[in-house]
Amino acid sequence: DSGVTQTPKHLITATGQRVTLRCSPRSGDLSVYWYQQSLDQGLQFLIQYYNGEERAKGNILERFSAQQFPDLHSELNLSSLELGDSALYFCASSVAFRQGEQFFGPGTRLTVL
Amino acid sequence: KNQVEQSPQSLIILEGKNCTLQCNYTVSPFSNLRWYKQDTGRGPVSLTIMTFSENTKSNGRYTATLDADTKQSSLHITASQLSDSASYICVVSPAGGGGGNKLTFGTGTQLKVEL
Repeated sequence: DSGVTQTPKHLITATGQRVTLRCSPRSGDLSVYWYQQSLDQGLQFLIQYYNGEERAKGNILERFSAQQFPDLHSELNLSSLELGDSALYFCASSVAFRQGEQFFGPGTRLTVL
Repeated sequence: KNQVEQSPQSLIILEGKNCTLQCNYTVSPFSNLRWYKQDTGRGPVSLTIMTFSENTKSNGRYTATLDADTKQSSLHITASQLSDSASYICVVSPAGGGGGNKLTFGTGTQLKVEL
């Protein structure tokens, strides 16, 4: 158990809908990272927050947004969902902003029908 | 453009045998290199982290080596077990810090251990 929690574990929704994925980092970790992993693909970095502020951005679609709250949990919002958004979404956390060792959560499997 | 290439793409070995996975990178200068194990449908778990000055690091039956001159790393698994069946991912961080967007991920080697 990495100490990072993600909810829900599974999510099934329809195209055009909006969903919110939630992540709680390990106790004491200030950085939260979001990744997308499509079937048989590598991990794609989406976005990083550090202590409530956005600090790094990857190939995140405009339909996707995220935030980190004062209690350091983070939410990833996916809107106008398309079939191609079906994937595993992982959250990871680390102590520092700078590329520290990342601890990954168990992931949320999103299926868009 | 920074790249991390892993080989082989997939590998099947018999239980009890040893195997070696390769990771070649172009990130330079680099700060550290990590190996993760990812079981199907689960989050990656860190196996080893090596800085540019380290040549080898072990974690139980897993031993990672690093040659910063040739920009190559390998992950050696000894006396494989069925539970070693997973994807093994190499991740490289550049020197100079920066956020998560600076990490370069390999696409992984899919290992299957059979009886």
